[in-house]
Amino acid sequence: DVKVTQSSRYLVKRTGEKVFLECVQDMDHENMFWYRQDPGLGLRLIYFSYDVKMKEKGDIPEGYSVSREKKERFSLILESASTNQTSMYLCASSAPGRAKVEQYFGPGTRLTVT
Amino acid sequence: AQSVTQPDIHITVSEGASLELRCNYSYGATPYLFWYVQSPGQGLQLLLKYFSGDTLVQGIKGFEAEFKRSQSSFNLRKPSVHWSDAAEYFCAVGAWESNFGNEKLTFGTGTRLTIIP
Repeated sequence: DVKVTQSSRYLVKRTGEKVFLECVQDMDHENMFWYRQDPGLGLRLIYFSYDVKMKEKGDIPEGYSVSREKKERFSLILESASTNQTSMYLCASSAPGRAKVEQYFGPGTRLTVT
Repeated sequence: AQSVTQPDIHITVSEGASLELRCNYSYGATPYLFWYVQSPGQGLQLLLKYFSGDTLVQGIKGFEAEFKRSQSSFNLRKPSVHWSDAAEYFCAVGAWESNFGNEKLTFGTGTRLTIIP
């Protein structure tokens, strides 16, 4: 079974802090994704990566950056957290080819920015 | 760009009753189709997927879904729900999106399922 883990289930940070959300997958997947989930809006893609050191912007990249130094690890960075970044953050991974869109998700990190 | 519509925000059914959750998509060709389930406070779990072939697909936990090209629909069904099925369900479409320059998974806004005894 694919296992995607996220470093924290719950996180509380103050406005202006730098926040790191970590994601690790154990299936040697090339593709990794970060989404945020908000009520009534579904999941929105923030960033994705198709290979080590590669990154692509998703639909809502503003205020976020990412890092992928190793194949199994994909980090989401909030350079200066703001209250409108309070949300559930979900990491996902997938294999290449048509399976790229067959994504497997981690348990999520619920981030609160006060 | 592709889009996914789940017209029911919230559905309540009795335990043991049948269930159908609706999903409609907009895309110029046949996309890849998925249903995910999210239990409270958890991540998304893949229930089933359609890539091609038989339009009736079976998934985990006794769920099935039927792809109907003429209706651009991929409705999720279960003949008899259990209290443990209470969760949020997301339909998703995977397809090439030209203004994205890549294949993309697009989610509906979800349907919350409540089970009453």
